[in-house]
Amino acid sequence: GESVGLHLPTLSVQEGDNSIINCAYSNSASDYFIWYKQESGKGPQFIIDIRSNMDKRQGQRVTVLLNKTVKHLSLQIAATQPGDSAVYFCAENEAAGNKLTFGGGTRVLVKP
Amino acid sequence: EAQVTQNPRYLITVTGKKLTVTCSQNMNHEYMSWYRQDPGLGLRQIYYSMNVEVTDKGDVPEGYKVSRKEKRNFPLILESPSPNQTSLYFCASSLKGPAGVGEAFFGQGTRLTVV
Repeated sequence: GESVGLHLPTLSVQEGDNSIINCAYSNSASDYFIWYKQESGKGPQFIIDIRSNMDKRQGQRVTVLLNKTVKHLSLQIAATQPGDSAVYFCAENEAAGNKLTFGGGTRVLVKP
Repeated sequence: EAQVTQNPRYLITVTGKKLTVTCSQNMNHEYMSWYRQDPGLGLRQIYYSMNVEVTDKGDVPEGYKVSRKEKRNFPLILESPSPNQTSLYFCASSLKGPAGVGEAFFGQGTRLTVV
């Protein structure tokens, strides 16, 4: 597969456990955030998004938490499965802007 | 099937030889963009387009051109490729842009090597 990153932080998690992936953003003007999943050899895939007027949003097995005070975003994956092994990126969009800025990514490895 | 299609998937070329990477989406999306992905640097936006004939620079536009003559296509043009443009390129589209609906569809990527 394609090499996504050689120096990514890695989260190793046991199958069935919950995963928490963290992301710090720097732009206090950002008001919209997205989490993406990228599997080897594929393009990023949208997981979940959240706007700055919310602090929590839930999807299927995933929850995104937003703490605007400390400019921190997290993605929680419940009951992690082997298919969750991938690189996860957070992305932010500045209010009224048209550009997405991506974080560096975190590699998640699920151990059977 | 809703998709973003990039071509080619792999390309090796020589310095200075003009090339075009095509991108097409079948979802009638208004917003399209190009990213490059490099180890340790993540995804960086090259250009984006809010609609037909409307394009804007992203964070790393130098050495690239784009055009948006029709809604479905957004080709990336390298007039004179250089080795520092060796990278993995992704095209993406979404209905209204990152601040709108939000969900972006990405292509499968184009691995470009410039020697």
